[in-house]
Amino acid sequence: AQSVTQPDIHITVSEGASLELRCNYSYGATPYLFWYVQSPGQGLQLLLKYFSGDTLVQGIKGFEAEFKRSQSSFNLRKPSVHWSDAAEYFCAVGAGYSGGGADGLTFGKGTHLIIQP
Amino acid sequence: GAVVSQHPSRVICKSGTSVKIECRSLDFQATTMFWYRQFPKQSLMLMATSNEGSKATYEQGVEKDKFLINHASLTLSTLTVTSAHPEDSSFYICSASPLGTGSTDTQYFGPGTRLTVL
Repeated sequence: AQSVTQPDIHITVSEGASLELRCNYSYGATPYLFWYVQSPGQGLQLLLKYFSGDTLVQGIKGFEAEFKRSQSSFNLRKPSVHWSDAAEYFCAVGAGYSGGGADGLTFGKGTHLIIQP
Repeated sequence: GAVVSQHPSRVICKSGTSVKIECRSLDFQATTMFWYRQFPKQSLMLMATSNEGSKATYEQGVEKDKFLINHASLTLSTLTVTSAHPEDSSFYICSASPLGTGSTDTQYFGPGTRLTVL
């Protein structure tokens, strides 16, 4: 069974500083990997995804993530955070479209990002 | 962009009553919809996968008789929490996968429904 670990429950970063949120996954085959952001009162918004190809993936809002198979990691980065980036961030893994139909996602427990002025 | 709505956004009910939550894809057709449950400060847990016109597939440990799922059309799935109890209080989130795509290619999430059972 697949699993996702986000080792940091909370992270505090100063506005303008760089950010890295960690994500490790466990999956038997090549995973489909995602980062979502959840703001209060809003649905999950997809930041970026990795299926194959270039292991450095660019997303929205200036975020990027790098897939490292050897480390089973898919860490999210941003060079300079803004106060509006404060939110809950979830890493997720999917198995893709199986013969029996589409598959849901397995989420990590999330990392709460706090931005200091 | 693709939009998924949920109704109601919040609901408070008495213990023993049933509550229905709707999930709609507003501008696309969805072959597959998913229902997740999120406890406070925790992750989303997949409850079930709903395919239009067929029975839902429930994850291990999810009671299918308690959480009834109906996916009657390509734009609507409903989750009914039957005989609700306080431990059913949670945040329920649906997502929809557009027709013709694999679930992990594109999956759009609704804003969630906060259920409180007194």
